[in-house]
Amino acid sequence: DTAVSQTPKYLVTQMGNDKSIKCEQNLGHDTMYWYKQDSKKFLKIMFSYNNKELIINETVPNRFSPKSPDKAHLNLHINSLELGDSAVYFCASSQSPIEQFFGPGTRLTVL
Amino acid sequence: GDSVTQMEGPVTLSEEAFLTINCTYTATGYPSLFWYVQYPGEGLQLLLKATKADDKGSNKGFEATYRKETTSFHLEKGSVQVSDSAVYFCALSPQAAGNKLTFGGGTRVLVKP
Repeated sequence: DTAVSQTPKYLVTQMGNDKSIKCEQNLGHDTMYWYKQDSKKFLKIMFSYNNKELIINETVPNRFSPKSPDKAHLNLHINSLELGDSAVYFCASSQSPIEQFFGPGTRLTVL
Repeated sequence: GDSVTQMEGPVTLSEEAFLTINCTYTATGYPSLFWYVQYPGEGLQLLLKATKADDKGSNKGFEATYRKETTSFHLEKGSVQVSDSAVYFCALSPQAAGNKLTFGGGTRVLVKP
């Protein structure tokens, strides 16, 4: 069984479009995250939710909006996509600060 | 703010060679320290961790010791295999910031047979 799953795995779209990435975890964790990994493999946290409440909101354009319908799901919606949004986006979850479990990633390409 | 610095790659080794990846950090208090590994096409997996000074984390033949005096958490493995080819990330979780992880830039390791 997949612990943290993301859909889609690949997403290719045009500049200016709006897209969503979905994340689900079946580990029963209370906290979920979105990370962005750029082309140089640099990984940076974007958001974190704990029990559907936003607890970390890094300096991210407001075109990015996370939504957590329940504690097992954390979706990422991106409006007016730009070339610089091209990256791999990782979802993760954790129950404690000790270990975060990562999804397989969604490679977003904006043309 | 908190930061993690690790050696840039790629690091290319022959099988059975000794691997060291340097990692140093800047943080207040006593953060927890981690090494994560990312195999090609996959997400990150926790490799090992240490939560206080002088702790040694170990897993799959990899080791790292939390050195408060040098603010370092260097990763070592005595004899690498081709299957160890991956990107390795050093990370810290601040003492007072719960679950937030700050990552280093990653080090790509390529092990040749």
